[in-house]
Amino acid sequence: DVKVTQSSRYLVKRTGEKVFLECVQDMDHENMFWYRQDPGLGLRLIYFSYDVKMKEKGDIPEGYSVSREKKERFSLILESASTNQTSMYLCASSSTWTSGTYNEQFFGPGTRLTVL
Amino acid sequence: GNSVTQMEGPVTLSEEAFLTINCTYTATGYPSLFWYVQYPGEGLQLLLKATKADDKGSNKGFEATYRKETTSFHLEKGSVQVSDSAVYFCALFMFSGGYNKLIFGAGTRLAVHP
Repeated sequence: DVKVTQSSRYLVKRTGEKVFLECVQDMDHENMFWYRQDPGLGLRLIYFSYDVKMKEKGDIPEGYSVSREKKERFSLILESASTNQTSMYLCASSSTWTSGTYNEQFFGPGTRLTVL
Repeated sequence: GNSVTQMEGPVTLSEEAFLTINCTYTATGYPSLFWYVQYPGEGLQLLLKATKADDKGSNKGFEATYRKETTSFHLEKGSVQVSDSAVYFCALFMFSGGYNKLIFGAGTRLAVHP
């Protein structure tokens, strides 16, 4: 079974703190993604990576950065957490895209982050 | 741009009732369409998919048909169970050669009561 794990299920941080969210996948997938999930807004893509050390901005990258030093690990970084970053964060991975083919994204269980 | 619109929830049903969750999309070209499900405390799982017009995706008693003429992909199940209580997301994917991503609807929460 594909497994995507996230370092924490629940996290509480204070405004201004630096926050690291870690994601690890065990299927040798090339693509990894970070989404945030908010009620009424669905999932919105923050960043994705299609290879080690490669990253692309998604729809809402402001206030976030990412790091992918190893193929299996993709980190989301909040340099200075703010209350409007309180949300559920979901990591996903998939094998690489080929023209006209969608490869399923497999999701982790999510990290519910609260910024006070 | 590309987008997905789902009916707002929550949807509350009794066990064995018929379920429909509406989903319509806007896209340039021919997207692939998906339904994802999120059970309480878990991440999203792919429930079913359809990659071209008139395709019907099905899984676990759920069905959805890709209707190009109405740009819809409504989710249906003939008899829901308490274990179907979850949040359901409709999504589309387009491979444009550039920025490739899944676009999700807002999600519809389903609560099934015994």
